[in-house]
Amino acid sequence: KQEVTQIPAALSVPEGENLVLNCSFTDSAIYNLQWFRQDPGKGLTSLLLIQSSQREQTSGRLNASLDKSSGRSTLYIAASQPGDSATYLCAVRKINNAGNMLTFGGGTRLMVKP
Amino acid sequence: DTGVSQNPRHKITKRGQNVTFRCDPISEHNRLYWYRQTLGQGPEFLTYFQNEAQLEKSRLLSDRFSAERPKGSFSTLEIQRTEQGDSAMYLCASSLGGGGRKNTEAFFGQGTRLTVV
Repeated sequence: KQEVTQIPAALSVPEGENLVLNCSFTDSAIYNLQWFRQDPGKGLTSLLLIQSSQREQTSGRLNASLDKSSGRSTLYIAASQPGDSATYLCAVRKINNAGNMLTFGGGTRLMVKP
Repeated sequence: DTGVSQNPRHKITKRGQNVTFRCDPISEHNRLYWYRQTLGQGPEFLTYFQNEAQLEKSRLLSDRFSAERPKGSFSTLEIQRTEQGDSAMYLCASSLGGGGRKNTEAFFGQGTRLTVV
């Protein structure tokens, strides 16, 4: 059974810092990995999707890497801003998962202080 | 059509009552998913539909839960005889895939927050 773990569970940083969020998964037979942002009481917004054949994806100040063999992904946020405060979730889709169901980690709650 | 729409956004109900939630997916998406998220946890898969067919159900979906997608468009999730442990955010997502179509990523709605008192 696939298990996804995110470390740390919570993180508080001053504005302007660069930071790294970690995600690990137990079954490396994945189709893709996705990072989401969730604001309190809201749904999920997709940030980056990395296919299993890719090593990284970038969008603005965000960069996500994937090391499938070691079962790890990182989300790098450059020059953090108070507006980045949210919960960040990673999720993986299995290779033989025809239905595109996702297995999620528990999330990292990020607070960026002005 | 700007995205996945869920109604209601919030629902407070007394223990033992039945509740029903609705999800309207992105119009051209043939796949629809339900997830449940409790406080401080990541979402957990409940069930998914391809068109009107319910193709997979998680063991989390007890017999008090039933989901339908009668015409392959919107879906409803009903919980009968609600319990306090049912309190959670219920998220719906939709995507394209199957039947020779290229799989796309899933897009999520804003969720329905259920509180059972």
